[in-house]
Amino acid sequence: SQQGEEDPQALSIQEGENATMNCSYKTSINNLQWYRQNSGRGLVHLILIRSNEREKHSGRLRVTLDTSKKSSSLLITASRAADTASYFCATLLGGYQKVTFGIGTKLQVIP
Amino acid sequence: DTEVTQTPKHLVMGMTNKKSLKCEQHMGHRAMYWYKQKAKKPPELMFVYSYEKLSINESVPSRFSPECPNSSLLNLHLHALQPEDSALYLCASSLAGEPNYGYTFGSGTRLTVV
Repeated sequence: SQQGEEDPQALSIQEGENATMNCSYKTSINNLQWYRQNSGRGLVHLILIRSNEREKHSGRLRVTLDTSKKSSSLLITASRAADTASYFCATLLGGYQKVTFGIGTKLQVIP
Repeated sequence: DTEVTQTPKHLVMGMTNKKSLKCEQHMGHRAMYWYKQKAKKPPELMFVYSYEKLSINESVPSRFSPECPNSSLLNLHLHALQPEDSALYLCASSLAGEPNYGYTFGSGTRLTVV
């Protein structure tokens, strides 16, 4: 079953603009991760935020986590055409072995 | 080596065939996973191996049979599949016992059952 639900499900922006994707989840988590998937191929791990963290940065990526609202957001600043992909949030429940993916946001960056 | 290699990249098989998907990593990861992804859907967990032992089976039909012959290799044996089993099959690995560590995914095998 899916734990996370991304919003919006599709997003189209111009190159250079910022892209914000949101993820809501249902149960308590150990951590929340964001992955990118290009053209239905393998997923690439982008960033992980632990349940006791509120914000994390990696290059042009900024992730926030609000455990009281059970939500997270991924901000991609100064977007590039190469950022065009599907983005999934994924939550780790309890133990370390079961990462569950949300439905994803399909991002299109127009050159 | 920071890759997970999956072979083949594409596979077409009949409903009476037996085939296998292969996944290999040399990162020293002792947790390995099989996910299934249908078009426009998120990946869904099928199996988890930890230290070469099956630790999670997400109620997957027995026509899918996983095998972990050593710490670097993960196989998925397929037999008597149905057309609805057509999907992208993804393998992933991670450090076992390390919850705050992301997964490394392979590029997947796109399976078509005819």
